[in-house]
Amino acid sequence: DSGVTQTPKHLITATGQRVTLRCSPRSGDLSVYWYQQSLDQGLQFLIQYYNGEERAKGNILERFSAQQFPDLHSELNLSSLELGDSALYFCASSVNEESPLHFGNGTRLTVT
Amino acid sequence: GDSVTQMEGPVTLSEEAFLTINCTYTATGYPSLFWYVQYPGEGLQLLLKATKADDKGSNKGFEATYRKETTSFHLEKGSVQVSDSAVYFCALSPGYQKVTFGTGTKLQVIP
Repeated sequence: DSGVTQTPKHLITATGQRVTLRCSPRSGDLSVYWYQQSLDQGLQFLIQYYNGEERAKGNILERFSAQQFPDLHSELNLSSLELGDSALYFCASSVNEESPLHFGNGTRLTVT
Repeated sequence: GDSVTQMEGPVTLSEEAFLTINCTYTATGYPSLFWYVQYPGEGLQLLLKATKADDKGSNKGFEATYRKETTSFHLEKGSVQVSDSAVYFCALSPGYQKVTFGTGTKLQVIP
């Protein structure tokens, strides 16, 4: 158990809808990262937060947004969903930006 | 920008065979290097790491040496087991930005 909790585990929704994925980092970890894993594109970095502040942005679409709250949990919001958004979404946390990442078990999103 | 290149998979080996998964990187400065492993249905787990040139990371019989001159961090294991079947990701972190992952190499070990 990595200590990183992601909910829900599975999500099935229709095109055009909006969903929110939630992540609770390991106790004491200040950095939260979001990654998208799909079969054809591997593990793609989306966004990183450190202690509530956005630190780095990767290949995150404008339809996606995220935030980290004062209690350090994070949410990833995906809107106007398309079939191609179907993927595993992983959250990871670390103590700081030089430490290894600890991953949650992911949220599997299926857009129909 | 930073990048990591891994050998293509899948890699299929018989139990007790020797494993090498190649990884090379491109980065400015002196990043930390990592190998992560992903078992079916799970998130990635840190397998081993090295933070400076010539460091050797090791864990569970796996080893990798940080080679600055060849910008490589190849993963090796002397005798693989069926339980090692998983996807292995090489990654780098410059310490102040996002971690960059390779595309992953699937390993299948057959009895």
